[in-house]
Amino acid sequence: QVQLQESGPGLVKPSETLSLTCTVSGDSISNYYWSWIRQPAGKGLEWIGRIYPSGSTNYNPSLKSRVTMSLDTSKNQFSLKLSSVTAADTAVYYCARESGVTGTRPDCWGQGTLVTVSS
Amino acid sequence: DIQMTQSPSSVSASIGDRVTITCRASQDIYSWLAWYQQKPGKPPKLLIYTSSSLQSGVPSRFSGSGSGTDFTLTISSLQPEDFGTYYCHQSNSFPITFGQGTRLEIE
Repeated sequence: QVQLQESGPGLVKPSETLSLTCTVSGDSISNYYWSWIRQPAGKGLEWIGRIYPSGSTNYNPSLKSRVTMSLDTSKNQFSLKLSSVTAADTAVYYCARESGVTGTRPDCWGQGTLVTVSS
Repeated sequence: DIQMTQSPSSVSASIGDRVTITCRASQDIYSWLAWYQQKPGKPPKLLIYTSSSLQSGVPSRFSGSGSGTDFTLTISSLQPEDFGTYYCHQSNSFPITFGQGTRLEIE
């Protein structure tokens, strides 16, 4: 049974870079697509982007200039970096596995990690 | 971006009731729609994918229908554990987008 666990600092200063890692167990990251999704407190879900087994990516245009995703197949992990953060980036960040050849959708999620942007 | 609009924003229903939540896409998304249930402090849980396919392990009282721009999630007989917020999700085109959510409360 696949499990995902987000890790990284819970507090980031404004203008700095948010860095999170998702560790996958129970399956190889080479077998699926992987995504990051965030949710500000009391609000809805925002898709950040997707990374493919090849390492290619699709990002939300609203964040594209600040987002970088990467894979580390040796550690079965994938990562998110979001630069120049502001208070608006405060949210619970989820990593997720995506399934389906077509109509790809997140079907397995990490528990989420709260990242607060504050000085 | 494809806008996903859910209605109602919130609903209160009794145990045993039939509950329907709708999701409208701003453009044709064929059947590339999924539904999620989220409970407080938890990640979303996939219920339905490709509009009407039931995710493994999800009770059969949940069903989905629709294509194009109009979609429906139906709970045939509401159970106490069905409270939470429900989101639709389109994967037809980037950026992937979610509806704003429908909060379901048990009366």
